[in-house]
Amino acid sequence: GIQVEQSPPDLILQEGANSTLRCNFSDSVNNLQWFHQNPWGQLINLFYIPSGTKQNGRLSATTVATERYSLLYISSSQTTDSGVYFCAVERKRNNNDMRFGAGTRLTVKP
Amino acid sequence: EPEVTQTPSHQVTQMGQEVILRCVPISNHLYFYWYRQILGQKVEFLVSFYNNEISEKSEIFDDQFSVERPDGSNFTLKIRSTKLEDSAMYFCASSEVGGHYNEQFFGPGTRLTVL
Repeated sequence: GIQVEQSPPDLILQEGANSTLRCNFSDSVNNLQWFHQNPWGQLINLFYIPSGTKQNGRLSATTVATERYSLLYISSSQTTDSGVYFCAVERKRNNNDMRFGAGTRLTVKP
Repeated sequence: EPEVTQTPSHQVTQMGQEVILRCVPISNHLYFYWYRQILGQKVEFLVSFYNNEISEKSEIFDDQFSVERPDGSNFTLKIRSTKLEDSAMYFCASSEVGGHYNEQFFGPGTRLTVL
């Protein structure tokens, strides 16, 4: 099956710092989504981004589908950004199952 | 904004008991999914459902699991005889279409604890 690798596995930042999270995938994809899992375990949709670039406030994401990677940028980080960030992809075979990476655990310190 | 809802938020059960986890997908969505996340691990796909039948399932989704859309709004996951290793967070998701442009929207999850 498709492999999804996220890096770094852990990231500790001071409040106000910027960061880049990376997601590499091993096959062509129909769908790529970024999620934030909050301390209560809820998965919050951040971006649906199978290709191109999107921005939402302090967050932005870029997917280069031809090179099989996606980046999530967090600028001016806040303590509420802490949590685990997951990348998930759906392989280009129309089989509808999303494969998740292992996540990046972000800790933002005040 | 429409959202996927799940009930209960937390369920505790004894090993060997049957549990039913409930989900209400977004109303105009046609594809429904269940995922699970064992504590500290990645989210894993269980099953997808379209047009009242399973369209895809993973190796985790064995005979102990079943899914159903009993009416026009609910989508359920049944575990027939729970094991300790079924303890996990279970997420329901839905999407408007499958394949291309298949953004999936996730519910808040049900935390299942098997004692």
